Amino acid sequence: DQQVKQNSPSLSVQEGRISILNCDYTNSMFDYFLWYKKYPAEGPTFLISISSIKDKNEDGRFTVFLNKSAKHLSLHIVPSQPGDSAVYFCAASGGSNYKLTFGKGTLLTVNP
Amino acid sequence: DARVTQTPRDKVTEMGQEVTMRCQPILGHNTVFWYRQTMMQGLELLAYFRNRAPLDDSGMPKDRFSAEMPDATLATLKIQPSEPRDSAVYFCASGTTLYEQFFGPGTRLTVL
Repeated sequence: DQQVKQNSPSLSVQEGRISILNCDYTNSMFDYFLWYKKYPAEGPTFLISISSIKDKNEDGRFTVFLNKSAKHLSLHIVPSQPGDSAVYFCAASGGSNYKLTFGKGTLLTVNP
Repeated sequence: DARVTQTPRDKVTEMGQEVTMRCQPILGHNTVFWYRQTMMQGLELLAYFRNRAPLDDSGMPKDRFSAEMPDATLATLKIQPSEPRDSAVYFCASGTTLYEQFFGPGTRLTVL
C-alpha cells in the first residue's frame, strides 16, 4: 500500500514556464513533507520542505503548497530552467521517528 | 564540503555470492539510513540507526540482509546469499535533524 503517491511518472515543460509536480498521501499521521531532487548517478538532494502547520513555503524559484484536507502537496518551479531537469521525489514523515516515506518520483524535463 | 561516501559505486556479482556495501556518514551525523531504489518500488527504506543502534529494520528481508554500524564512521549492508531480484541502487543517507537526510551517491548492484 503506497502511502505517498506521485501519479505522474514524467513531466515536460518549456524553459521559462512553470513546472508543477504533484504528490498525494494517505497517512493522516504525516506532518512534515519534503521534496528531493535527483540527478542521474547521484543521490537525492534535499530541495524544500513544509510542516503541516503551514500551507505554503517558498525558497527562491521553488514553492511548495500543502492542502491538508485533500492530502495533497505540490511543488511549483518558476521559472523552469534546463538545469532543473531531474527526478523529483516527494517524501513524508510523521510522529517522532526518523522515517521518510518516498513517492516513486516524477521525471521533469525542461526543454530549452 | 561534507558528503556521505559509499563504496563500491558499482558491483556486479553472481547469484549466491555475498555482497557488502559500505557507507561513511557525514561526521557528526548520528542517524544513518539505508534505502533501495528500484523502478517498481521507488525508494524504499531498508533500515536505520540512531547513535549506532538499529531502530528499525522492518523494510529489510531478514533472511539474507543484515545492516550494522561497527563504529560511528562506518555503516555496512550485507546480502548473503545475493539473488537477481536484489539488483538495485542502494543509498545510504545520514542526518541529525528529525527529517533532513543527506544521501550518498549510491551503490549500483547487479546480481547475475
